[in-house]
Amino acid sequence: KQEVTQIPAALSVPEGENLVLNCSFTDSAIYNLQWFRQDPGKGLTSLLLIQSSQREQTSGRLNASLDKSSGRSTLYIAASQPGDSATYLCAVRTGAQKLVFGQGTRLTINP
Amino acid sequence: EAGVAQSPRYKIIEKRQSVAFWCNPISGHATLYWYQQILGQGPKLLIQFQNNGVVDDSQLPKDRFSAERLKGVDSTLKIQPAKLEDSAVYLCASSPPGLAGETQYFGPGTRLLVL
Repeated sequence: KQEVTQIPAALSVPEGENLVLNCSFTDSAIYNLQWFRQDPGKGLTSLLLIQSSQREQTSGRLNASLDKSSGRSTLYIAASQPGDSATYLCAVRTGAQKLVFGQGTRLTINP
Repeated sequence: EAGVAQSPRYKIIEKRQSVAFWCNPISGHATLYWYQQILGQGPKLLIQFQNNGVVDDSQLPKDRFSAERLKGVDSTLKIQPAKLEDSAVYLCASSPPGLAGETQYFGPGTRLLVL
């Protein structure tokens, strides 16, 4: 059974810092890995999707890496801003479009 | 393009009562998902529809939860009778057919509180 773990559960940093969020998964047989953002009272928004054959994806100040063999992914946020405050979730696709989510990292960027 | 619509946004009921949630996916999206997200946890898939057929309902508590997708468009999720542990946010998502279905588009969710 696939299990996804995110560390830390919560993170608070001052504005402008670079930061890394971690995600690990137990079964390396995945189709892809996605990072989502969730704002309070709202649904999830997809940030980055990494196919199993890829090593990383970049979008603006966000960079996600994938090491499938070790079951790890990181989300790097450069030059953090207060607007980046949200919960970040990683999810792996195991087949038939089924996503297994981690519990999320609640990020607070302090002005 | 309109997003995934869900209603109601909030619901408070007492245990043993019944409740129903409604979801309208993005037009043309063949696949529809219902997730349960308990506070402090990631979403857990309850049921997945492909058009109006069920693809995966392995984590749906079938003794109290039921879902249907009429005509392959809108969907309803029902809980009868509700328990305290059903308090959660219920998220609906949809994805288009083909490779574009890699990404799921989520609605705002229905927040359920069972007292």
